[in-house]
Amino acid sequence: QSVLTQPPSVSGAPGQRVTISCTGSYSNIGAGFHVHWYQQLPGTAPKLFIYGNNNRPSGVPDRLSASQSGTSASLAITGLQDEDEADYYCQSYDSSLSWVFGGGTKLTVL
Amino acid sequence: QVTLRESGPALVKPTQTLTLTCTFSGFSLTTSGMCVGWIRQPPGKALEWLAVIDADDDKYYSASLKTRLTISKDTSKDEVVLTMTDMDPVDTATYYCARNPAAVAGYFDYWGQGTLVTVSS
Repeated sequence: QSVLTQPPSVSGAPGQRVTISCTGSYSNIGAGFHVHWYQQLPGTAPKLFIYGNNNRPSGVPDRLSASQSGTSASLAITGLQDEDEADYYCQSYDSSLSWVFGGGTKLTVL
Repeated sequence: QVTLRESGPALVKPTQTLTLTCTFSGFSLTTSGMCVGWIRQPPGKALEWLAVIDADDDKYYSASLKTRLTISKDTSKDEVVLTMTDMDPVDTATYYCARNPAAVAGYFDYWGQGTLVTVSS
């Protein structure tokens, strides 16, 4: 059971906007720790997609954006494309001196 | 260019100790705030953080696995080693090492390709 809770799956048609939620608690997201997001394609290692205050590594499209409030965070993808189909994981830090991940969300492009 | 590569046995028997090595390049684990961590992923399941070691040689462990894990570094070889004792079939997973350049509470910006470890007799 992951410390951060994500929906198992989300889907959307090409061009649509989808959001993926990530719910934590007062010891992690609610404590003010940043939430970071990773994309994982089948058979490959996770890739950092958004970190800190909505920062994107080089090469990550600006169609992706992140926000957080209270004990929750979300990843938004606009103008959905086939290449966005992947698993997405949120990650934060917990006051118990541990890094925590979400259970992952499978994004399907219809 | 930052790279990390995991190495270790592909198959271990139950109760044995697993030793994995992360060999990295393109950065130094002596740089203030730099960390290297281990994360695993059982087949078809989610990512699970295991341990982190930082430039000051401070070590952080998953609470649920703390008694079984040891992380260490050899800065002369640019290596981080993770040992996990008393392996069980539920420990079957792909084990990744990753760099965290942002100190405690940070993110993992570069990952190794991962190494699949199967626990079976």
